[in-house]
Amino acid sequence: EVHLVQSGAEVKKPGATVKISCKVSGYIFSDYYMHWVQQAPGKGLEWMGLIDPADGETKYAEKFQGRVAITADTSTGTAYMELSSLRSEDTAVYYCATPGYSSTYPCDYWGQGTLVTVSS
Amino acid sequence: EIVLTQSPDFQSVTPKEKVTITCRASQSIGSSLHWYQQKPDQSPKLLIKYASQSFSGVPSRFSGSGSGTDFTLTINSLEAEDAATYYCHQSSSLPQTFGGGTKVEIK
Repeated sequence: EVHLVQSGAEVKKPGATVKISCKVSGYIFSDYYMHWVQQAPGKGLEWMGLIDPADGETKYAEKFQGRVAITADTSTGTAYMELSSLRSEDTAVYYCATPGYSSTYPCDYWGQGTLVTVSS
Repeated sequence: EIVLTQSPDFQSVTPKEKVTITCRASQSIGSSLHWYQQKPDQSPKLLIKYASQSFSGVPSRFSGSGSGTDFTLTINSLEAEDAATYYCHQSSSLPQTFGGGTKVEIK
């Protein structure tokens, strides 16, 4: 059975950097793409980017370009999302989600979400 | 960027009623449109993939239709457990995008 388990909640000051992990089980990590999705409090879902763990190729949404870095560690089956220069608007729940073999497939497995609070 | 516009934003419905949610894409996306259900403090769950294909384990009262730019999610005979926010998602092109969501409340 596929599971995506994310790291715990974080509290950061403005200007800081946060790095969230997403550890997978139940499939070969390098076989499936991984997306990251942001959800601000009371708001909708926003696609941030994706990675192909097989070769590390990434694609990012323009909104986050330059501040986000998605990486994958195939030795531990863990994907990471690092967001820098944090501001209050980055306060949100962040989800990892896998679409499987193709980046154009729907996301049928999601992590539980990680709340990041940015506050001085 | 493909913009997905959902309507309505909010719907209050009595049990056993039929619910219809629409999602309009700013350009044609074929059938690369998926629907998710999200309950408070939970992760989104896939309901319908590729516009009309039910995901495994999803109750048969959920169905989807459409292609190109206009899509519909239908919930036949709404049940109390269906209270949630519903999102459409396009995977046709990058950046992938989501609709703004439709909150369904049970009267």
